[in-house]
Amino acid sequence: GQQLNQSPQSMFIQEGEDVSMNCTSSSIFNTWLWYKQEPGEGPVLLIALYKAGELTSNGRLTAQFGITRKDSFLNISASIPSDVGIYFCAGQVEETSGSRLTFGEGTQLTVNP
Amino acid sequence: GAGVSQSPSNKVTEKGKDVELRCDPISGHTALYWYRQSLGQGLEFLIYFQGNSAPDKSGLPSDRFSAERTGGSVSTLTIQRTQQEDSAVYLCASSLYGGRGETQYFGPGTRLLVL
Repeated sequence: GQQLNQSPQSMFIQEGEDVSMNCTSSSIFNTWLWYKQEPGEGPVLLIALYKAGELTSNGRLTAQFGITRKDSFLNISASIPSDVGIYFCAGQVEETSGSRLTFGEGTQLTVNP
Repeated sequence: GAGVSQSPSNKVTEKGKDVELRCDPISGHTALYWYRQSLGQGLEFLIYFQGNSAPDKSGLPSDRFSAERTGGSVSTLTIQRTQQEDSAVYLCASSLYGGRGETQYFGPGTRLLVL
């Protein structure tokens, strides 16, 4: 089945530093998404990417949809303590059965004040 | 409702018992998904409902798992004869039509522990 390899698994950084994480896949996806999950909560969508090569920003977050459609990265600039959480990439293929999401294993981000 | 709600928040059960997990999607959303998140892992697709269509059950790990959606709204995920490997967070999500690129809104999940 489809698998997403997400790296790094965890990151420990100082407040103010920039962060980069990425996902690669053996399969092509039509949509790439990045979610953030905080303890006791479900994932919340941060950024969605719909076209190969697309670069999208949302505040301090920037994400890109790889040209090959098999990878994506997420950058967080000038990190702050509330950025702490688990970040997941997810790929989506339009299917007749509803565009289910395939998730990466997550990147646990810790920001030290 | 304002968001996707799930109940119970936490469930502890003994191996071999049956459990039912409930999901209330966002009002008006026709697409509903169940995912499972094992400790330290990403989310794994289980089942998808869209309106009155037959559900896509291709992600269910065994025949001990089943789900239904009554009246196109509330959904129940049932795990029969629970095993310790069923321990995980079970997350429900809904979206408007289940189309490509639609945002899936997740509930807070049910944390299941099988002793």
